[in-house]
Amino acid sequence: DSGVTQTPKHLITATGQRVTLRCSPRSGDLSVYWYQQSLDQGLQFLIQYYNGEERAKGNILERFSAQQFPDLHSELNLSSLELGDSALYFCASSPGQGKAGNTIYFGEGSWLTVV
Amino acid sequence: EDQVTQSPEALRLQEGESSSLNCSYTVSGLRGLFWYRQDPGKGPEFLFTLYSAGEEKEKERLKATLTKKESFLHITAPKPEDSATYLCAVRRPDNAGNMLTFGGGTRLMVKP
Repeated sequence: DSGVTQTPKHLITATGQRVTLRCSPRSGDLSVYWYQQSLDQGLQFLIQYYNGEERAKGNILERFSAQQFPDLHSELNLSSLELGDSALYFCASSPGQGKAGNTIYFGEGSWLTVV
Repeated sequence: EDQVTQSPEALRLQEGESSSLNCSYTVSGLRGLFWYRQDPGKGPEFLFTLYSAGEEKEKERLKATLTKKESFLHITAPKPEDSATYLCAVRRPDNAGNMLTFGGGTRLMVKP
């Protein structure tokens, strides 16, 4: 158990809908990351927050948005869902930004199926 | 653009048959190479971080090494429970952030 908690574990929704994925980082970790894993794309970095502020952005679609709250938990919002958005979405966390803070620990993921 | 290539894509071993997994990378200013293990339907589990060429780290039957262009994950006398997908990832300096770029993974199957 990495200490990173994600909900829901599984989600099935229709095209055009909007969903919210939630993440609680490891105790004391200030950075939260979101990754998408699909069969054809592998693990792709979406976005990073550090202590409530956006720090890095990857290949995140405009239909997707995220935020990190004052209690450090994070949410990833996915809207106008398409079939191709079906994937495993991982949240991860790390202590901070320095060398010791480099190690990123992953949650168990949220399986999203768009039908 | 950072590139991480893992080979082979899949590897079948008999229990006890040692082998190595390769991770080749192209990154400007490496700030860490990471190895993770991922079981089906689970999140990646952190194994090692390597920072400089010549560095080695070991954990049970696994040993990771790093050169200027590639990293190897050596598996000695593997057991069926070592079956998993092994992922490597690189971090490079960025103006901000700590993002990792992952390779496609090597799916390891160890037969008893």
